Amino acid sequence: AQSVTQLDSQVPVFEEAPVELRCNYSSSVSVYLFWYVQYPNQGLQLLLKYLSGSTLVKGINGFEAEFNKSQTSFDLRKPSVHISDTAEYFCAVSDVSSNYGNQFYFGTGTSLTVIP
Amino acid sequence: SQTIHQWPATLVQPVGSPLSLECTVEGTSNPNLYWYRQAAGRGLQLLFYSVGIGQISSEVPQNLSASRPQDRQFILSSKKLLLSDSGFYLCALQKRDEETQYFGPGTRLLVL
Repeated sequence: AQSVTQLDSQVPVFEEAPVELRCNYSSSVSVYLFWYVQYPNQGLQLLLKYLSGSTLVKGINGFEAEFNKSQTSFDLRKPSVHISDTAEYFCAVSDVSSNYGNQFYFGTGTSLTVIP
Repeated sequence: SQTIHQWPATLVQPVGSPLSLECTVEGTSNPNLYWYRQAAGRGLQLLFYSVGIGQISSEVPQNLSASRPQDRQFILSSKKLLLSDSGFYLCALQKRDEETQYFGPGTRLLVL
């Protein structure tokens, strides 16, 4: 089974500043990688995903993430944040070769607070 | 595209009372369906998943159960709620030919 680590539980950042949210996973087997965003009292919305190909993937709302296989990381970045980016962010990993076929493993989340 | 409905949006129940949360999906057939629980300030815990009608797998022993009476309906139940059952319950689906899980709006459950 995979384990997913989001090292920062809370990240405060000033508006228009850059932000990076870190994510590491445990196993180096083939994986699919995802970032989701959750606004208060809402479900999870897909930000972006890595399935294969280019290690730099772009998502919605100006976010991008870079897959680093050697470091088993999938860090999320945005060059300039807005107040509306204040939310909880979850990293998730799915084993391509998992016998379960579709099991997702989620990190514990990073709470991003954008300060005016 | 697919749509996930969850009902009710919010629920306050006394300890020991029964529970029934419903998840229905539109825009896809024969999806894998999932129930997750999110406790306050914590990540997502997978409770149940289903690959088809009547097929339920449980990930965590608890006083909850799940059923899938129809292809696009997934129900989470309990006979007697505990205080620890409070949380945010999320239904998710994954299409057979895709790698992504999509989430519903969630149900906030408070057990008093």
